[in-house]
Amino acid sequence: TQLLEQSPQFLSIQEGENLTVYCNSSSVFSSLQWYRQEPGEGPVLLVTVVTGGEVKKLKRLTFQFGDARKDSSLHITAAQPGDTGLYLCAGAPQGGSEKLVFGKGTKLTVNP
Amino acid sequence: DVKVTQSSRYLVKRTGEKVFLECVQDMDHENMFWYRQDPGLGLRLIYFSYDVKMKEKGDIPEGYSVSREKKERFSLILESASTNQTSMYLCASSLSGVNYGYGYTFGSGTRLTVV
Repeated sequence: TQLLEQSPQFLSIQEGENLTVYCNSSSVFSSLQWYRQEPGEGPVLLVTVVTGGEVKKLKRLTFQFGDARKDSSLHITAAQPGDTGLYLCAGAPQGGSEKLVFGKGTKLTVNP
Repeated sequence: DVKVTQSSRYLVKRTGEKVFLECVQDMDHENMFWYRQDPGLGLRLIYFSYDVKMKEKGDIPEGYSVSREKKERFSLILESASTNQTSMYLCASSLSGVNYGYGYTFGSGTRLTVV
């Protein structure tokens, strides 16, 4: 069974601070996705990374896929209260399954 | 704007009732999924459908069944609701090819309480 471990599980920071969330596995994934979920809503796709070593930037958010395609990180610069939410990573298993493997999430709170 | 629509945001049902959760997508996606989300347990896949009338059990199918008679609609059925099925239920859809980077589109969820 493929697993994705996210850390930290909870993160509470002040507005303006930087943070990094990690997503690790012993398995190789074809692609890695990051979602953000706000309270009472479904997750929304932020980004997909498909190439080992790939880095994508989305405004203040930087996503990286590990060279071996087993891990990923999400870095937020100068966090804002609007960044508050549950961040989920999800990996597409090798072999063509359409069922993503989800991490349990990192609950981020950015205090004004 | 493409979307996945779940029929109810909040639902309260009695133990033993048969419960239907409906999900409709307007993106012509092949794949549809039902998850439940509980604190500390993350998203757990209940059932997956990759085509009309085709379904596959997920990690926790016990106590649930599904129906996909049309491509756009995927229904989750709780045959006899129990209190341990109180949860947030999320429907999602996707094009085939997550390994190429296609993502899931989720509905807003149905918070089901079984009393």
